[in-house]
Amino acid sequence: FVLTQPHSVSESPGKTVTISCTRSGGSIASNYVQWYQHRPGSAPSTVIFYDNQRPSGVPDRFSGSIDSSSNSASLTISGLKTEDEADYYCQSYDSSNVWVFGGGTKLTVL
Amino acid sequence: EVQLLESGGGLVQPGGSLRVSCAASGFTFRNYAMSWVRQAPGKGLEWVSATSGSGGSTYYADSVKGRFTISRDNSKNTLFLQMNSLRAEDTAVYFCAKLRGGTGQWYFDLWGRGTLVTVSS
Repeated sequence: FVLTQPHSVSESPGKTVTISCTRSGGSIASNYVQWYQHRPGSAPSTVIFYDNQRPSGVPDRFSGSIDSSSNSASLTISGLKTEDEADYYCQSYDSSNVWVFGGGTKLTVL
Repeated sequence: EVQLLESGGGLVQPGGSLRVSCAASGFTFRNYAMSWVRQAPGKGLEWVSATSGSGGSTYYADSVKGRFTISRDNSKNTLFLQMNSLRAEDTAVYFCAKLRGGTGQWYFDLWGRGTLVTVSS
């Protein structure tokens, strides 16, 4: 299956942004969706796992959801901060032991 | 401190071989499946390979199957990726990542900063 994300999104500090991740081939609900934050030159980090769970240390400004009607997952970041500027990747696991990433979305906070 | 530290990247000619390593610390290494993920210049993340905690099960992306071999030394808390028959399209930063969640529910919960592999003549 393929996960499709917008190439880029931008929003102002303090606002809310939503990044989508649409699954082609199979149901979005078939396998959990994760979201990773990656600032170039740094190690990626997990911001959402199992569709909507936040690892400890990730602020509650980050939230995840899935929508079966549109076969997509979403990452929503509220109260945007300049430090949120990064690339964000959705990811899901195929039962044939393959980990699939979306193409990534560049978030600009300006 | 819980961390993963990759090493061994460098410049290699097409058709050549290279082994990259990942030293783990701060957690019980043998209890966790581990994986390699890469990022080509200007591109997104691509899963490469994974192995179970014991090393007895291994998985590969079609793009590297038959050329790359993942292995681990649990006595030294180290993960390896042996890369043979390298191609220009294998040029990327290679990240080591720890897997969490169990069969069918695995996700990456800890990442290293990566090591750059450049395949060029």
